[in-house]
Amino acid sequence: AIQLTQSPSSLSASVGDRVTITCRASQGISSALAWYQQKPGKAPKLLIYDASSLESGVPSRFSGSGSGTDFTLTISSLQPEDFATYYCQQFNSYPHKGWTFGQGTKVEIK
Amino acid sequence: QLQLQESGPGLVKPSETLSLTCTVSGGSISSSSYYWGWIRQPPGKGLEWIGSIYYSGSTYYNPSLKSRVTISVDTSKNQFSLKLSSVTAADTAVYYCARHRNTLDYWGQGTLVTVSS
Repeated sequence: AIQLTQSPSSLSASVGDRVTITCRASQGISSALAWYQQKPGKAPKLLIYDASSLESGVPSRFSGSGSGTDFTLTISSLQPEDFATYYCQQFNSYPHKGWTFGQGTKVEIK
Repeated sequence: QLQLQESGPGLVKPSETLSLTCTVSGGSISSSSYYWGWIRQPPGKGLEWIGSIYYSGSTYYNPSLKSRVTISVDTSKNQFSLKLSSVTAADTAVYYCARHRNTLDYWGQGTLVTVSS
C-alpha cells in the first residue's frame, strides 16, 4: 500500500506568515494527490486536487505543487481562519484499492 | 446543494456489528461517475478510508478492514449503508460518509460511534 508522510506534524505560525507543508509518497503517484483542511468538530474540506488545481471557492492564497513522490501545500499569507489540520490524500490506486491519507499537519497560532 | 447525513447508534458493544446509514439529499445517489464512501477518524487521530460503493453496487474496501466490512446501497431511498462486524474499542471513531470520484468533495457532518460494554 502507498504510504504518505507529512511534515511537519505540527507548526506554529503567525497571521501573515507563509506556510509550507510537505507530503511524501512511498512510491510515485504522478499528480494523484489532494489536500484537505479540517477544523475541530468538522468534516474535512477539499482544497486542492490533482496536486495543484484549486477547488472552486477556495481562496487563492492556497496553492499546491509537486508530482511523483514529493508534494507541497503552501499558504501564502496565513489568515486567522486557516488555523486547522491539513491532510494530503493519494488516489493513485483508486478505486480498487481506495486511497490513503497522510497523518496530518496541525497549524497552530504562534 | 448536495447534503449527506449519517445516522445510527452512537454506542455499540464489543464483538457486535456497527451499522450506519448515509442519507443523500439534494441529488441522486444514482449519478453516474460518482462513488459513495465511508471514512473514519478515531478521536485525536487521522483519517482512514473504510470503503466505497458505486450506485450499481460495485464495492471497494480497505484491505485492512475488508473481512469485517459490508457496504450496500438503496437507490430507492437515496441511501447507502455501512456494516462493520466484530467491533472492538479500536473501532471507536467519528464515521463520515462522503461523495467522491478520486477526491472527496461532499461530506456528511460525521457521527461518533463508541465501542464499549
